[in-house]
Amino acid sequence: EIVLTQSPDFQSVTPKEKVTITCRASQSIGSSLHWYQLKPDQPPKLLIKYASQSISGVPSRFSGSGSGTDFTLTINNLEAEDAATYYCHQSSSRLPITFGQGTRLEIK
Amino acid sequence: QLQLQESGPRLVKPSETLALTCTVSGGSIGSSTYFWGWIRRPPGKGLEWIGSIYYSGSTYYNPSLESRVTISVDTSKNQFSLRLNSVTAADTAVYYCARHLLTTTPFEYWGLGTPVTVSS
Repeated sequence: EIVLTQSPDFQSVTPKEKVTITCRASQSIGSSLHWYQLKPDQPPKLLIKYASQSISGVPSRFSGSGSGTDFTLTINNLEAEDAATYYCHQSSSRLPITFGQGTRLEIK
Repeated sequence: QLQLQESGPRLVKPSETLALTCTVSGGSIGSSTYFWGWIRRPPGKGLEWIGSIYYSGSTYYNPSLESRVTISVDTSKNQFSLRLNSVTAADTAVYYCARHLLTTTPFEYWGLGTPVTVSS
C-alpha cells in the first residue's frame, strides 16, 4: 500500500498569506496525485488533478506541483473561505487507492 | 450537473451490517463507463477508500475491508450500494459516495456524506 504523509497537520494563517501543504508518497507515483478541499456540509471538491492540472471553476490562487514522491499544494492570497481540510489522494495503478491524513487550515 | 446523495441508517449496532445507498441524479449509471466508489472519514482521521464498482458490476475493494464489504449497483434505480458486515466502533465515520472514470483517476463528483455511528 502506498502511504501518503501530509504536512503540516494543522496551520493557522491570516488572510492574504500564502500557504504550502506538502504530500509525500512512500513510493514513486509519477503524477498520479490529486488534491481535495473538504468543508462541513459540502461535498468534497477536487482542486488539482495529476499534481499540477487546474480544475475548471477552482480559483487560480490554488496551484499544485511535484512528481514522483513529493508534491505541494499552494494557496496564494488566502481568503476566509479557504478555511477547510485539505487531502491528497494517489491513484497510481497500485491499489488500494489511498489518501493523506489531511491538513486542517484555519484562517485567523 | 451530476449529483450524488447517500442514504441509510445513521446508527448501527455492533456486529450488525451497515447498509448505505447512493442515488445518482443528472446522469445514468448504466449508460456511462464510470466507476462508482465509497470513501469514509472516521472522526479525527483521514479519508479511507472502501471500494469501487464499475457500471457493469466489476468491483475493487480495499484489502483492509475486503472480507466484510460488498458493493453492488442497481442501474434500474440509478443507485449503487454499500454493505459492511460485522461492524465495530472503528467503522464509525462519515461515508461518502463518489464517481471516478477509472481507479487511476481522481474522484470528480462526491456526495455530501452521511454520518454513521456504530453503538449499542
